[in-house]
Amino acid sequence: DVKVTQSSRYLVKRTGEKVFLECVQDMDHENMFWYRQDPGLGLRLIYFSYDVKMKEKGDIPEGYSVSREKKERFSLILESASTNQTSMYLCASSPYHRSSYEQYFGPGTRLTVT
Amino acid sequence: DQQVKQNSPSLSVQEGRISILNCDYTNSMFDYFLWYKKYPAEGPTFLISISSIKDKNEDGRFTVFLNKSAKHLSLHIVPSQPGDSAVYFCAASAQSNYQLIWGAGTKLIIKP
Repeated sequence: DVKVTQSSRYLVKRTGEKVFLECVQDMDHENMFWYRQDPGLGLRLIYFSYDVKMKEKGDIPEGYSVSREKKERFSLILESASTNQTSMYLCASSPYHRSSYEQYFGPGTRLTVT
Repeated sequence: DQQVKQNSPSLSVQEGRISILNCDYTNSMFDYFLWYKKYPAEGPTFLISISSIKDKNEDGRFTVFLNKSAKHLSLHIVPSQPGDSAVYFCAASAQSNYQLIWGAGTKLIIKP
């Protein structure tokens, strides 16, 4: 059974703080993704990584950075949190040689920036 | 420009009846489509998928239909149960990359 875990379920940070969101998967997947989910907007891709130390910008990378030093771990960094980054953050993983395009998700982190 | 559209933000259905959720897409390069279900405070979970070479895929109470000429797919849930109350996302992928393009979601409410 694929398991994707995220470091926090709920997080409250102040404007200007540096925020780290951690994601770990245990299925040896090559691809990892960070999304944010906002009501009425669906899931929007922030960054993804298809290998260690590789990263690609998604649709909304501004204000975010990522780090992938190990295959199983993909971190999302908010360099200076702002109130418009209050959202649900979802991490996902998928195998490189996919047969079904399916992505496996963690439980999400609800981030509130005050 | 939204490539995957779910035009109904919400849908209310009586328990035991059929739920039909719709999804439209614009990119003819999409060759694989997925439906995910999401409960509040949880990550999305995969429900059912369909390849563009098929027009129907069935899994228990869930059936997905694909109409390529209309660029339209639908998810049918029969019979609808209270546990089906959730947000349903449609997603699409093109063979050329790993990404999924997501619709905005439809909140399904099953009434007792």
